[in-house]
Amino acid sequence: SQQGEEDPQALSIQEGENATMNCSYKTSINNLQWYRQNSGRGLVHLILIRSNEREKHSGRLRVTLDTSKKSSSLLITASRAADTASYFCATDNYGQNFVFGPGTRLSVLP
Amino acid sequence: DARVTQTPRHKVTEMGQEVTMRCQPILGHNTVFWYRQTMMQGLELLAYFRNRAPLDDSGMPKDRFSAEMPDATLATLKIQPSEPRDSAVYFCASGLTGNEQFFGPGTRLTVL
Repeated sequence: SQQGEEDPQALSIQEGENATMNCSYKTSINNLQWYRQNSGRGLVHLILIRSNEREKHSGRLRVTLDTSKKSSSLLITASRAADTASYFCATDNYGQNFVFGPGTRLSVLP
Repeated sequence: DARVTQTPRHKVTEMGQEVTMRCQPILGHNTVFWYRQTMMQGLELLAYFRNRAPLDDSGMPKDRFSAEMPDATLATLKIQPSEPRDSAVYFCASGLTGNEQFFGPGTRLTVL
């Protein structure tokens, strides 16, 4: 399996609910990043968490990183229909390689 | 509002033709990435430049693909000859080493 795998592959929730997506990776990393992609558009950076950080917040986003388990989670609180998109995690191995996972497709129903 | 620009946005060509995609990274960024995205394979890294030097092009089919940075304001990705299986959306991204990447809008390539 590939570095930076998101789980679940697809998630459907009601507006107002929280959405949690997970990412697992295999090698040591310098940082882990989460991106959003709306259909037919380029990826937009959401949040970056460095290997020496355990949690980071940005607005309604909360990211955790557990380097011992090689995993990260992205929590979107109070979801909105506009949050409907694909979400990707990407690992940066000290600039040597940069790998995206297959993504989680999030649908937020009004 | 600095953005990564890519041209063309759409390209339809016939098998065997040469395709050139261009990217203008954000001024001051020292890393440039080329990715290919398809439904089947997802987002694949094709090439990675730092300070205009190629660091990783292991994801790129060498026999037909080539990536260059003739100067700091231009990155190119060429396919010669193109094949139907090259049909995909090609993204360019730029950034500073160890930080987030800024993606362009992509070039949607269709090879008939």
